[in-house]
Amino acid sequence: GENVEQHPSTLSVQEGDSAVIKCTYSDSASNYFPWYKQELGKGPQLIIDIRSNVGEKKDQRIAVTLNKTAKHFSLHITETQPEDSAVYFCAALLGFSGGYNKLIFGAGTRLAVHP
Amino acid sequence: NAGVTQTPKFQVLKTGQSMTLQCAQDMNHEYMSWYRQDPGMGLRLIHYSVGAGITDQGEVPNGYNVSRSTTEDFPLRLLSAAPSQTSVYFCASSYGRGQGEQFFGPGTRLTVL
Repeated sequence: GENVEQHPSTLSVQEGDSAVIKCTYSDSASNYFPWYKQELGKGPQLIIDIRSNVGEKKDQRIAVTLNKTAKHFSLHITETQPEDSAVYFCAALLGFSGGYNKLIFGAGTRLAVHP
Repeated sequence: NAGVTQTPKFQVLKTGQSMTLQCAQDMNHEYMSWYRQDPGMGLRLIHYSVGAGITDQGEVPNGYNVSRSTTEDFPLRLLSAAPSQTSVYFCASSYGRGQGEQFFGPGTRLTVL
């Protein structure tokens, strides 16, 4: 079935360094790729997303890139800060006839930013 | 706006018991969904709904029932709880048919003994 693979599962960086998380998806019909951040004890929250007609999108210190040919997309966080420590999830949207959509998530990356 | 609310926050059940996890949203979103979160497995879709009276199965629907009688509410029922259903459950909502940002509730931590 459809799946999204996410790497690495854990990532430890020093404050100020960059962090990169990579995902691959299986369904070439996917056209929407969000990234969610989950802090301890809370529900996931959208931090950035990209649609298939765009190759890159930036929002301050975070950026997402998409390679539709290779079915890869990545999250880039620059100048990391301790408050960036959290679990990050990528996801890919699967669309079906009738307009129903399902969001398939990766397994998550636990990012730790050390002062 | 309260956003997406879930009750209870924590629940302990014995094997075979039934219960309902409540979810409500006040954003007038048509799309609502239930996920379970297990260590190392991310968020897996259980059931979803694109509007009142319309529901469909996700990746892991077995052992769960849903109904959508109003736009605001989307309860998840465990018919006969099993230890394999020990998990954290999240409800989410989105505008339209789920093609945009999903707003998540705070979660319900369920333990089945």
